[in-house]
Amino acid sequence: AQKITQTQPGMFVQEKEAVTLDCTYDTSDQSYGLFWYKQPSSGEMIFLIYQGSYDEQNATEGRYSLNFQKARKSANLVISASQLGDSAMYFCAMREGRGNTDKLIFGTGTRLQVFP
Amino acid sequence: ETGVTQTPRHLVMGMTNKKSLKCEQHLGHNAMYWYKQSAKKPLELMFVYNFKEQTENNSVPSRFSPECPNSSHLFLHLHTLQPEDSALYLCASSQDLTLVNSPLHFGNGTRLTVT
Repeated sequence: AQKITQTQPGMFVQEKEAVTLDCTYDTSDQSYGLFWYKQPSSGEMIFLIYQGSYDEQNATEGRYSLNFQKARKSANLVISASQLGDSAMYFCAMREGRGNTDKLIFGTGTRLQVFP
Repeated sequence: ETGVTQTPRHLVMGMTNKKSLKCEQHLGHNAMYWYKQSAKKPLELMFVYNFKEQTENNSVPSRFSPECPNSSHLFLHLHTLQPEDSALYLCASSQDLTLVNSPLHFGNGTRLTVT
């Protein structure tokens, strides 16, 4: 079964607008961590934001925020005030607890294109 | 120099060649990883090392041979590869293997083409 599902292969957003990238996950663990990464065309995977399963507040890092809905098992990334430099692939990933913490499992990614 | 550095950035090799990919991290992390990224597929975990000891081999063919001489360096030795092995190979490190909140920090990757 797919552990991380990103249903949007591609998204477009106009500069200065907000955009939401979807991510749903599947785990039976109570303790887990959710991550978002950005991959520009250069290839490097850049860590953006982290949400722990026990965190009561949604994580925020600058223009990035994570809309965490535990009951629905979703962890959507919200990028506010989009910039042209935000154009990249975005990957959602999960690290489970209970002996599986060495595995960071990724989704298939969403390609975001920001236009002027 | 900081972060995770991978060399070379690009590599073209024939199926009978032997080559090595190198990864170095300057973050003081204890765990290092190799991932393979093929087109239109999720990143695939290949190997995990913790304090120089291999903790994970994700059913990787023996034509890929990892080496971790210390916590800062990781190699991936390649021999008799197949064209389907062409991909972006990403190295990563993390502070701690046992904490769910420990993010991975990635290098720029090596773009490998097998001819």
